[in-house]
Amino acid sequence: NAGVTQTPKFQVLKTGQSMTLQCAQDMNHEYMSWYRQDPGMGLRLIHYSVGAGITDQGEVPNGYNVSRSTTEDFPLRLLSAAPSQTSVYFCASTTGFSYNEQFFGPGTRLTVL
Amino acid sequence: AQSVTQLDSQVPVFEEAPVELRCNYSSSVSVYLFWYVQYPNQGLQLLLKYLSGSTLVESINGFEAEFNKSQTSFHLRKPSVHISDTAEYFCAVSDLTTNAGKSTFGDGTTLTVKP
Repeated sequence: NAGVTQTPKFQVLKTGQSMTLQCAQDMNHEYMSWYRQDPGMGLRLIHYSVGAGITDQGEVPNGYNVSRSTTEDFPLRLLSAAPSQTSVYFCASTTGFSYNEQFFGPGTRLTVL
Repeated sequence: AQSVTQLDSQVPVFEEAPVELRCNYSSSVSVYLFWYVQYPNQGLQLLLKYLSGSTLVESINGFEAEFNKSQTSFHLRKPSVHISDTAEYFCAVSDLTTNAGKSTFGDGTTLTVKP
């Protein structure tokens, strides 16, 4: 099993550009989440999904969109990138059978100029 | 809603010394408790977890954490640290009742082990 995979690993955008961060998992987990990590602020939840076709907002959803058309994939879209979105983004998945232990991807380091 | 407070943002310690990383949480419902470790330029990985039963839980690399319900704490300890333990450590809680697969994380504690 590959676990949770994320692409790209690094990305540089200009202000106003849009892009999609890809996330996929092969563990058949029903729950998936996107977090951003900023120095001194821990991990903050952006959006999450409890199953295909169902998404909801987390703590810091503004400027981001998600969709979940399949159990495996959970892409994160930046609609119009801003410097405040410079961060490291982590995708995670979990299942109730693992008592909500989060399985993380390797992260995407995004810089917005 | 839950919250997690990691009381120390940075903990420097010499090799072979003991260390304690402190974590307090707040929740109106029962929770699962976790410690995750993040090595430089990597994602987070589970270190240990408390689900139920014995309040003392251990990891395979010598860390242990004790759940204290009355103090709502889940402090992480290791009696003798190694250089390789240098990493960022995150305490997290997950709500048993809503079961939306979400976790709330603390701000992290950077453990630096010096020779």
